Amino acid sequence: GESVGLHLPTLSVQEGDNSIINCAYSNSASDYFIWYKQESGKGPQFIIDIRSNMDKRQGQRVTVLLNKTVKHLSLQIAATQPGDSAVYFCAELRDYKLSFGAGTTVTVRA
Amino acid sequence: GAGVSQTPSNKVTEKGKYVELRCDPISGHTALYWYRQSLGQGPEFLIYFQGTGAADDSGLPNDRFFAVRPEGSVSTLKIQRTERGDSAVYLCASSLNPRGTGELFFGEGSRLTVL
Repeated sequence: GESVGLHLPTLSVQEGDNSIINCAYSNSASDYFIWYKQESGKGPQFIIDIRSNMDKRQGQRVTVLLNKTVKHLSLQIAATQPGDSAVYFCAELRDYKLSFGAGTTVTVRA
Repeated sequence: GAGVSQTPSNKVTEKGKYVELRCDPISGHTALYWYRQSLGQGPEFLIYFQGTGAADDSGLPNDRFFAVRPEGSVSTLKIQRTERGDSAVYLCASSLNPRGTGELFFGEGSRLTVL
């Protein structure tokens, strides 16, 4: 079965607000945890990753938090824009293999 | 091109037919992956190539599925005796460092519909 999953399948956010997407994982042996964004009709696109020995990493408008105690991963998107509407997947990397969860569909309201 | 290229983008076939899906990875990327994505689901691992060899084919669902990468660049996923359950988007991805940070570069996928 899957070792990575998301709490909510959908998220509706007002443009300009911050978004938080959550993910629970069960495999503690992963090397990295990664967030991908997938727009309709396209392949997944890398957003940001975090090494398993870290608890926070920031990118451009995005922050990933890793809580190993409760095996929880989150992606925060600041000042959500219409272009952020997509399906977001968390994934774990163990050795060379990437395993994906089911995804959260984020819809940005104007 | 600069990205991963997959052809065809759409393929409609009849049950029992043979299908080939092609992936042209980013130049210089030694690692190549095939994933399958069903509607509403995350991508599911099928097979991983490091160079010309299939380092891990544990995700192939059965022996109707086979993939090759004879020269360490272009890869072909082959599906024999297609079944309706094979309908999905088949994604190819490549990577420069498979044991790195998990940044894979995905193509736009080949949507397979088996009637």
